[in-house]
Amino acid sequence: ETVLTQSPGTLSLSPGERATLSCRASETVIINHLAWYQQKPGQAPRLLIYGASSRATGVADRFSGSGSGTDFTLTISRLEPEDFAVYYCQQYGSSPWTFGQGTKVEI
Amino acid sequence: QVQLQESGPGLVKPSQTLSLTCNVSGVSINSVSYYWNWIRQPAGKGLEWIGQIYPGGSNKYNPSLKSRVTISVDTSKNQFSLKLSSVSAADTAVYFCARGVGGYYNYFDNWGQGTLVTVSS
Repeated sequence: ETVLTQSPGTLSLSPGERATLSCRASETVIINHLAWYQQKPGQAPRLLIYGASSRATGVADRFSGSGSGTDFTLTISRLEPEDFAVYYCQQYGSSPWTFGQGTKVEI
Repeated sequence: QVQLQESGPGLVKPSQTLSLTCNVSGVSINSVSYYWNWIRQPAGKGLEWIGQIYPGGSNKYNPSLKSRVTISVDTSKNQFSLKLSSVSAADTAVYFCARGVGGYYNYFDNWGQGTLVTVSS
């Protein structure tokens, strides 16, 4: 199965700063079938990005995704207070679909 | 507005079968556009995809759980279900149902709130 490794494990930043989250796959993610989710405590994950770089409906444009092959990045251009959460990448190009272990963005 | 809601026992004894149902509203579960998935998350840990069903088509399961998992659909009730047999403490987790979009290679755009299932005697 495709193993996704996210880094860093925790990112300590302040509101207004830029956040850069990495997701590295153990093998090429087919057709850039990679998604990013945001999860807050006690809530279900929320889809942010699919196809590596397409924003989901209703997602603020400060969130952007990039990358291809085995290396992908989620960037939050200017952190808002509501952005402090855990972020997961997920590949859906090769079954079983798999998730990274998550990056926590904290103040 | 699409909504998914999990239901089922919150406590299951070891070696027994965990059974959960996901009620779907706002969209027909028979739609050719969607796959219906189960995903779980142990407390404080990451997400694990369990499997999916495509009404009228085939199921797909995570090989790590395949021997114990059955996902089925009841189109008359617009719901789908998960059965996980021979459970142990390692199966204690929050279980989410989610809608898959994007065709065969699907990602998850709508999720239920999740339900905690504890395996304990």
